[in-house]
Amino acid sequence: EVQLVESGGGLVQPGGSLRLSCVVSGFTFSDQYMDWVRQAPGKGLEWVGRTTNKDTSYTTAYAASVKGRFTISRDESKNSLYLQMNSLKTEDTAVYYCARRNMAALDYWGQGTLVTVSS
Amino acid sequence: QSALTQPPSASGSPGQSVTISCTGTSSDVGGYNYVSWYQQHPGKAPKLMISEVSKRPSGVPDRFSGAKSGNTASLTVSGLQPEDEADYYCSSFAGTNNYVFGTGTKVTVL
Repeated sequence: EVQLVESGGGLVQPGGSLRLSCVVSGFTFSDQYMDWVRQAPGKGLEWVGRTTNKDTSYTTAYAASVKGRFTISRDESKNSLYLQMNSLKTEDTAVYYCARRNMAALDYWGQGTLVTVSS
Repeated sequence: QSALTQPPSASGSPGQSVTISCTGTSSDVGGYNYVSWYQQHPGKAPKLMISEVSKRPSGVPDRFSGAKSGNTASLTVSGLQPEDEADYYCSSFAGTNNYVFGTGTKVTVL
């Protein structure tokens, strides 16, 4: 059974940093592209970024709204995906989901972790 | 990259059909056959319903179907059931390692 479990959310002050984790199971992690998607309270989904798989050297890509502030990484030995978020702004407040990418679709999602940026 | 445009709401009675549109540009929806649709119930994670414009993943009822014409994609839910009441989002590959979601549509089963 495929499972994705996020953690690391919480309350952080503007300008602060936070690292989210996503532990996966039920599939070969190194074979898969992985994405982060966020959803501000009461709002729609927003693509944050993605990392490719082992065959394509784990390259990353980001939405313009987070480029230069957020970094996606992965640890194959821990079956874990990470989202390092720096210089956080109030508009980064959202539920953050990790998701597995299969071709151009996200076929499995985690339950999400809430990040609140507030003073 | 601007969000794809969806109607804010759609509704239908049980057994009826509802169609949701998703309008983009030639740089996203119109340029690639990589449109997907997601269903999201309140407080839950999104669920993939359609991939690559019209492919239905295993376990998704065949009441759900997708199509595309030019820069507009659509999701049709036939034979509406109470459990279909949810928010629906489209998404498209937008080139150069970029993806975009739609604004979302709330479907109400009357």
